Amino acid sequence: EPEVTQTPSHQVTQMGQEVILRCVPISNHLYFYWYRQILGQKVEFLVSFYNNEISEKSEIFDDQFSVERPDGSNFTLKIRSTKLEDSAMYFCASSPGQSSYNEQFFGPGTRLTVL
Amino acid sequence: RKEVEQDPGPFNVPEGATVAFNCTYSNSASQSFFWYRQDCRKEPKLLMSVYSSGNEDGRFTAQLNRASQYISLLIRDSKLSDSATYLCVVNIDTGRRALTFGSGTRLQVQP
Repeated sequence: EPEVTQTPSHQVTQMGQEVILRCVPISNHLYFYWYRQILGQKVEFLVSFYNNEISEKSEIFDDQFSVERPDGSNFTLKIRSTKLEDSAMYFCASSPGQSSYNEQFFGPGTRLTVL
Repeated sequence: RKEVEQDPGPFNVPEGATVAFNCTYSNSASQSFFWYRQDCRKEPKLLMSVYSSGNEDGRFTAQLNRASQYISLLIRDSKLSDSATYLCVVNIDTGRRALTFGSGTRLQVQP
């Protein structure tokens, strides 16, 4: 069964450094998403991406964040200057797009630790 | 009022028990509803979509009550492997694809 993959599984970085989190969505899916989950809290939406552009973003997704689809398979989330409060699990998700019901399938996540 | 609200639990039940979770959502225009399952420090996994007519998948039954703005999940004949956090998830606004998650209900099935 096709699945979303993410790398790395764990990233440790110093405050102020840039990080890039990578995702390979399910191959025939059209919509891609990033969510995050701070330890002990609920999953929160960051951004959705369709047709090579951002289609929605939340208040969390400020100028420090950017997304890109650099080639036909990868989808990346960049955090330019990490803060301590960016420490969280970051999940990539994708959905087929054809269904109006919008089932989304999540990758295993990247645990980001900012020191 | 929270957009998606769930009882955090934990629900501690013996194997073989039937357990039900409820969830309420704030926006009456919400269109899509889901139950996801999340194991500790893992990704949310789609358990089932919740349709207006209700739906069943094996031991799991989901119901939607639009008038009262709540969704339910019933698990029959609980197994040890059902122990997890169950997330109520809603597409809060029509035309948006962002999912809004509840905080989850923890289920612990005991032998």
